[in-house]
Amino acid sequence: DIVVTQSPDSLAVSLGERATISCKSSQSVLNTSNNKNYLGWYQQKPGQPPKLLIYWASSRESGVPERFSGSGSGTDFTLTISSLQAEDVAVYFCHQYYTTPCSFGQGTKLEIK
Amino acid sequence: QITLRESGPTLVKPTQTLTLTCTFSGFSLGTSELSVGWIRQPPGKALEWLALIYWDDDKRYSSSLKSRLTIFKDTSKNLVVLTMTNMDPVDTATYYCAQGRYGGYGSGSYYRNWGQGTLVTVSS
Repeated sequence: DIVVTQSPDSLAVSLGERATISCKSSQSVLNTSNNKNYLGWYQQKPGQPPKLLIYWASSRESGVPERFSGSGSGTDFTLTISSLQAEDVAVYFCHQYYTTPCSFGQGTKLEIK
Repeated sequence: QITLRESGPTLVKPTQTLTLTCTFSGFSLGTSELSVGWIRQPPGKALEWLALIYWDDDKRYSSSLKSRLTIFKDTSKNLVVLTMTNMDPVDTATYYCAQGRYGGYGSGSYYRNWGQGTLVTVSS
């Protein structure tokens, strides 16, 4: 099974500053047949279900603000929030769907400094 | 508009079998490339993927829970059912169902639409 590990576990960033979350998978999630990385990012606020932000590692879901971006390939991925807003306080999870069983990272709690 | 809703008992006793139903609208699980998955989250902890079923009735399970899980669908009624046997207090969690799209090449799905979740407590 693929293990997905996020870092850091928690992060405090000032409003307007950049926030960066890392996600590493224990094996590559890049399919060389279609050149797609099977990696997604979700945002979860208290009492709510997760919300899809990014899929295929870098495709932004419809309605997600442009300040959210995903990058990386193979085993190393990054979620970047270019200018942190108060409403971005949440827990963020990465998710590999390259193969089943799928797996999620342990989550990164993002707070305002 | 796509909606999903989980239903089932809020409290189960240890060793009992949990049966959860995901009732959805706005899509058909008879449509090619669509799937419904189950994911759970113990209080204050991470998401754990449990199982999924594809439009073609292909089923996939968590390696660690495979012996305890069964997933099936009723396409005509727009519902997916997950059963988990031999429940234990460590299975206390919010259980979510979510709509996915097949990624091809034998892969899983990313989840665009989620239910609100249902909290299941396992206690005697």
